[in-house]
Amino acid sequence: DAGVTQSPTHLIKTRGQQVTLRCSPKSGHDTVSWYQQALGQGPQFIFQYYEEEERQRGNFPDRFSGHQFPNYSSELNVNALLLGDSALYLCASSSGPIYEQYFGPGTRLTVT
Amino acid sequence: GQQLNQSPQSMFIQEGEDVSMNCTSSSIFNTWLWYKQDPGEGPVLLIALYKAGELTSNGRLTAQFGITRKDSFLNISASIPSDVGIYFCAGQRVNFGNEKLTFGTGTRLTIIP
Repeated sequence: DAGVTQSPTHLIKTRGQQVTLRCSPKSGHDTVSWYQQALGQGPQFIFQYYEEEERQRGNFPDRFSGHQFPNYSSELNVNALLLGDSALYLCASSSGPIYEQYFGPGTRLTVT
Repeated sequence: GQQLNQSPQSMFIQEGEDVSMNCTSSSIFNTWLWYKQDPGEGPVLLIALYKAGELTSNGRLTAQFGITRKDSFLNISASIPSDVGIYFCAGQRVNFGNEKLTFGTGTRLTIIP
């Protein structure tokens, strides 16, 4: 039973560029949440997708957007990258919005 | 964004010792979860708690959901080298449209040889 998978593992981008991160949920899960984890801190909630719609959103600017596909996989897009966007981006899936979330290995984004 | 308060921030212990850590919030949660994160990896779910006062074990790990619903505790008995890592608590509400996880600041566990 495959767990949550994320791609790519690492990414280096330049300020002002755009990036797309991908996530496949654990088998049987239909809800995907995205988190940003800066070095030395706990994960911060970006947004959650359920039934292909953004269900709730954390305190992140509109430069952060996402999408969920019919197979429940999801993408996180970040436009106009800033140096401060450098972080580990984590995807978590669950079998519904209220159930426990399981995390993928993350994508390490470095903005130079 | 909001982060829950975890203490201690770091712990240095010897193998075989027991460990206790806690997590506090200014607001109520319906669910408490404990995760462990190794460097460069995603958090791994250790224990989930759903009811105030609940005590749940997973091997050498025991966690409790505080009676006030504003805190939670994690104990590790007879620590071993693979227990090294960062432990995060997370609180979750189950109000419609507000089920995000709010994480603590983390407790870093180091085992001294």
